[in-house]
Amino acid sequence: GQQVMQIPQYQHVQEGEDFTTYCNSSTTLSNIQWYKQRPGGHPVFLIQLVKSGEVKKQKRLTFQFGEAKKNSSLHITATQTTDVGTYFCAGKAGGTSYGKLTFGQGTILTVHP
Amino acid sequence: SAVISQKPSRDICQRGTSLTIQCQVDSQVTMMFWYRQQPGQSLTLIATANQGSEATYESGFVIDKFPISRPNLTFSTLTVSNMSPEDSSIYLCSVEGDILIMNTEAFFGQGTRLTVV
Repeated sequence: GQQVMQIPQYQHVQEGEDFTTYCNSSTTLSNIQWYKQRPGGHPVFLIQLVKSGEVKKQKRLTFQFGEAKKNSSLHITATQTTDVGTYFCAGKAGGTSYGKLTFGQGTILTVHP
Repeated sequence: SAVISQKPSRDICQRGTSLTIQCQVDSQVTMMFWYRQQPGQSLTLIATANQGSEATYESGFVIDKFPISRPNLTFSTLTVSNMSPEDSSIYLCSVEGDILIMNTEAFFGQGTRLTVV
């Protein structure tokens, strides 16, 4: 079945440093989504990437979708303490817009002030 | 975005008993999903619940253990049956596909933290 691998599992940074998490799928994806889960909270949708090579930005967050639509990355510039949480990528199998998401293992980000 | 009310938010249950978790959405949605998440771990899909048809279960999950109802486009329940301590986890309801805006991103309920003793 489809697998989505995400690294690193943990990342500790000093406030102001950059942070990147990477996601790789075993199969071609229809789209990839990114979610953030604060400690004790539920996953919250951040963004969806659909097109090959797509890059989207949200303030200090930059999301990329690979040319082969099998990998993706999330980069945070100049981290802040409010960025703390677990970041998940989640992919949908090729050929489907709706349907189940396969989640990566998540990257737990800790930001030290 | 869809607003999801999931209850109970937490419960402590005796082994051998069953717990039913409810998920109510403020809009009609095509697809509802149930996930399990161990603390500090990723989300594992239990099943997809579509209105008017049987739920579709993922590998490792069976209907007898996790019966699901989806009586209409705004509501679903997940029952954790004959519980054992291994069922202790966070259970999350998720929805996708608002009928009016046809979104493809998922929205999650607040989760149910279940402890089986």
